[in-house]
Amino acid sequence: QKEVEQNSGPLSVPEGAIASLNCTYSDRGSQSFFWYRQYSGKSPELIMFIYSNGDKEDGRFTAQLNKASQYVSLLIRDSQPSDSATYLCAVKLGSQGNLIFGKGTKLSVKP
Amino acid sequence: GAVVSQHPSWVICKSGTSVKIECRSLDFQATTMFWYRQFPKQSLMLMATSNEGSKATYEQGVEKDKFLINHASLTLSTLTVTSAHPEDSSFYICSARGPVYEQYFGPGTRLTVT
Repeated sequence: QKEVEQNSGPLSVPEGAIASLNCTYSDRGSQSFFWYRQYSGKSPELIMFIYSNGDKEDGRFTAQLNKASQYVSLLIRDSQPSDSATYLCAVKLGSQGNLIFGKGTKLSVKP
Repeated sequence: GAVVSQHPSWVICKSGTSVKIECRSLDFQATTMFWYRQFPKQSLMLMATSNEGSKATYEQGVEKDKFLINHASLTLSTLTVTSAHPEDSSFYICSARGPVYEQYFGPGTRLTVT
């Protein structure tokens, strides 16, 4: 069973702090990793994706990938109340695989 | 990012009737689309994978005769909930696969069966 694990939260951070969201995956053959944000009552929206070990930055978001540890994270700098949402980690297995989604981590940014 | 639309955004129907939901990729061609269902405060549940021109692949436990999926073109997939019952009330979301296997989600359709 290929699994993607996330802490369900809620993760609560004060406004302006760094929010750190973590995701682990079971399949070493996983190639691509995606982060989605889902506001309550809405559908998920793609934030960013990462393929290579290391960091990838996009505005206030940084994705970090460590394939040896089978670990991917999303850092949100200068967190805002509007960042309060559920963050979904998704992993692509192999060269033709579908995305496997984690159950999501609920983030709450307190003003 | 790519845009995926869904129609209708919400629908109320009577028990026993059928409802069709459309999913369109507006600015790219999607050979593969996906249908998800999400109950309140629960995670996404993949129902089926739809490939253009072929039969959909359903996840275990999803009744293919109840949830009919058609992917007749590279920009349109439809989900028909047949003989709907109140337990089918849910948030149905489609997504389309992009060029690097990312998925772009539609805005979702909220179905209420009375």
